[in-house]
Amino acid sequence: DIQMTQSPASLSASLGETVSIECLASEDIYSNLAWYQQKPGKSPQLLIYYASSLQDGVPSRFSGSESGTQYSLEINSLQPEDEGDYFCQQSYKFPLTFGSGTKLEIK
Amino acid sequence: EVQLVESGGGLVQPGRSLKLSCAASGFTFSNYYMAWVRQAPKKGLEWVATISTSGSRTYYPDSVKGRFTISRDNAKSSLYLQMNSLKSEDTATYYCARHLYGYNLYFDYWGQGVMVTVSS
Repeated sequence: DIQMTQSPASLSASLGETVSIECLASEDIYSNLAWYQQKPGKSPQLLIYYASSLQDGVPSRFSGSESGTQYSLEINSLQPEDEGDYFCQQSYKFPLTFGSGTKLEIK
Repeated sequence: EVQLVESGGGLVQPGRSLKLSCAASGFTFSNYYMAWVRQAPKKGLEWVATISTSGSRTYYPDSVKGRFTISRDNAKSSLYLQMNSLKSEDTATYYCARHLYGYNLYFDYWGQGVMVTVSS
């Protein structure tokens, strides 16, 4: 199975700041990676797919990038509504696997 | 508007069975791969099952293979998850999710989730 190692487990940042969340795949997943946001008590929402494609309706302050097997989600100009949990997911092969999640707190 | 509404959750004893349902609306159900994803309390996300558009192909992780069965009824725009031999570690919120159009194994819409508690 492909392991997705996500970091950090949690972070705290201020309004307007830029933050980055990382996911390291245990093998090459050829850009087959998505990022999801989950707000407290809500279902996950797709933000990014194919490593850098922005899902319809997602603000452009969210962006994805990759370097080898390392994938990153960057959130610019943090807003209060960005608080929540973030997960990466590889879609390269079954079983589909997720990262362990990052809890983002807005100070 | 795409809607996915799960039902059928509840409290069940270890070793017993439960069947979840998901009613889909707002899109052509038969054109999409569908899936179940679960989330244990205060934990991360775990993919549980995926089914092809026709239902002819199904996929599971080892953790549920042989115990869970995903199925669909395209005429009713409904997705199902039959869960047998339930264990305490199956306790979770179960989400019905739609895969991105085509053979794209991302999840672009999720239901609100249904809680399954396995306990004696």
